[in-house]
Amino acid sequence: GESVGLHLPTLSVQEGDNSIINCAYSNSASDYFIWYKQESGKGPQFIIDIRSNMDKRQGQRVTVLLNKTVKHLSLQIAATQPGDSAVYFCAETPSGGTSYGKLTFGQGTILTVHP
Amino acid sequence: DSGVTQTPKHLITATGQRVTLRCSPRSGDLSVYWYQQSLDQGLQFLIQYYNGEERAKGNILERFSAQQFPDLHSELNLSSLELGDSALYFCASSVSPSGRGEQYFGPGTRLTVT
Repeated sequence: GESVGLHLPTLSVQEGDNSIINCAYSNSASDYFIWYKQESGKGPQFIIDIRSNMDKRQGQRVTVLLNKTVKHLSLQIAATQPGDSAVYFCAETPSGGTSYGKLTFGQGTILTVHP
Repeated sequence: DSGVTQTPKHLITATGQRVTLRCSPRSGDLSVYWYQQSLDQGLQFLIQYYNGEERAKGNILERFSAQQFPDLHSELNLSSLELGDSALYFCASSVSPSGRGEQYFGPGTRLTVT
């Protein structure tokens, strides 16, 4: 049958607002999580990572929150700028077994920042 | 600029053909990863090499193979190409052998199979 492209969630914000991008994961064995940003025409770029023994980790203007109970990850971007416009991916990998070291990426969220 | 280089930037070929994509990792990085990004499947991990040895394998088709050479550059070989193989192919590199930590992605090779 005809293939259908992924329909990515979108988030539109005004410059200066805070942005929250959400990600749900399904593998309860995942113990390492990472966020990547991909600008148009470029490869993904690392933003921040977090291990499952943490609930929160902060970087420069970004914070990642991890809720293992409901298998949910979020990326908060403070004072969003037009240069933050991109597709944001979460990724996970389990602690062991045959999937160790293999990043599984989410479908991505398109963030658009309006000046 | 991530320091990872990929050639060619674009590749157009016909079904049934074979192509080779090349990746040079960042200086000092021993791990090389290959990913496929398509509209249908998103970003998918294919395979990882660490210091010349296969380290982890993902959703890589049997028609695809890869290797990492002593100078640490890597090649991804795609054979018996099908229309569905059209995608962006990214190479990434890292210091870590584990697949964790920051991976530095190259600019990608856009493969179009006609």
